[in-house]
Amino acid sequence: RKEVEQDPGPFNVPEGATVAFNCTYSNSASQSFFWYRQDCRKEPKLLMSVYSSGNEDGRFTAQLNRASQYISLLIRDSKLSDSATYLCVVNSAISGGGADGLTFGKGTHLIIQP
Amino acid sequence: NAGVTQTPKFRILKIGQSMTLQCTQDMNHNYMYWYRQDPGMGLKLIYYSVGAGITDKGEVPNGYNVSRSTTEDFPLRLELAAPSQTSVYFCDCRPLYCVSGYGYTFGSGTRLTVV
Repeated sequence: RKEVEQDPGPFNVPEGATVAFNCTYSNSASQSFFWYRQDCRKEPKLLMSVYSSGNEDGRFTAQLNRASQYISLLIRDSKLSDSATYLCVVNSAISGGGADGLTFGKGTHLIIQP
Repeated sequence: NAGVTQTPKFRILKIGQSMTLQCTQDMNHNYMYWYRQDPGMGLKLIYYSVGAGITDKGEVPNGYNVSRSTTEDFPLRLELAAPSQTSVYFCDCRPLYCVSGYGYTFGSGTRLTVV
């Protein structure tokens, strides 16, 4: 099973619609969870962290379900500028030294249609 | 399609040693990138390539070299490893006609420790 798994899409969604992405992770010891956004020719940028209690930032809502090892991102009232690749990212610290790094999913591709 | 394959997944180097991080893609994408990701920091671009035979420096190129002799391969070379190069390295590739929301593929990462 892959460490972080996402539906690659693409999701073609009309402007104004609500869209939801899901992500599953395999390491139950994972500690931190994030959604990143990646635009054409740019490096991924942090969109928001994900907490068990759920968190909201404007039109974006993220949710974590530790029991099911499942993360979600909801985008309401989608805009053309939301077209991007959304990367589910999990931080699973490595014991015994080494860089404490992030594991990226392969991304969900979202295209907002006018 | 394997997508982007990075090797090795983990490596420990001694100061002054050299090594090559391999990145191979089977999607015939023109653009390839190397990033490093440090704890608490965002991804930083090391080098990138827009096609075979063409490479350019990114934000943090010092201490690294790259080559792009084929479309498929974009190896990253560390000549004299330093502790500051302890990081997680990601390779990424994208198609020539980049449309927001489609077509990118990240590698699984290489965790490098320099001691």
